[in-house]
Amino acid sequence: QQPVQSPQAVILREGEDAVINCSSSKALYSVHWYRQKHGEAPVFLMILLKGGEQKGHEKISASFNEKKQQSSLYLTASQLSYSGTYFCGTEAPGGGADGLTFGKGTHLIIQP
Amino acid sequence: DTGVSQNPRHKITKRGQNVTFRCDPISEHNRLYWYRQTLGQGPEFLTYFQNEAQLEKSRLLSDRFSAERPKGSFSTLEIQRTEQGDSAMYLCASSLVRNEKLFFGSGTQLSVL
Repeated sequence: QQPVQSPQAVILREGEDAVINCSSSKALYSVHWYRQKHGEAPVFLMILLKGGEQKGHEKISASFNEKKQQSSLYLTASQLSYSGTYFCGTEAPGGGADGLTFGKGTHLIIQP
Repeated sequence: DTGVSQNPRHKITKRGQNVTFRCDPISEHNRLYWYRQTLGQGPEFLTYFQNEAQLEKSRLLSDRFSAERPKGSFSTLEIQRTEQGDSAMYLCASSLVRNEKLFFGSGTQLSVL
């Protein structure tokens, strides 16, 4: 089942922070985060494999609450280059089809 | 590492025609995935291969869709008797093992007239 992302869209000024949420109605084994710019391929940001795990990548970090079946992506001091659509991809325990199920995405617009 | 390559970038076809797309993954990657993406949606999983074995194909959209990966290298996705609803971006991705990051190609944009 497709994870639900919120918000659908957000507009920020450069330097502001953003949080993007991803929730699933099913138990999760892993959560992936990708960013896609218009007309380009999705680009990997990070994977979270364990419940409660928090990972960081420059000014972009994420958390994974296995019990709540939720993940959040944190973007701090946003830069113009952060603009794009952010997708979470989830995988259920046991692998199943072994393919990620992606949410509909969150559109992030950073204005100067 | 030249990345994941997909050809063609764009394909325009008439309804009822067959189309085939090609994906060349990163050379050492065992896993190869096909996704479909429509406007405003996230990528939708279709099928995947581990080496030459197609381990999941139940999520292919219909029996008009088929995929191959001969010799575990490049892969092809074929759509027979195309319909207007097949218009979408078809993305290929590869990874070394499960739960590693996916490297996506730039996709093939299919337009069915």
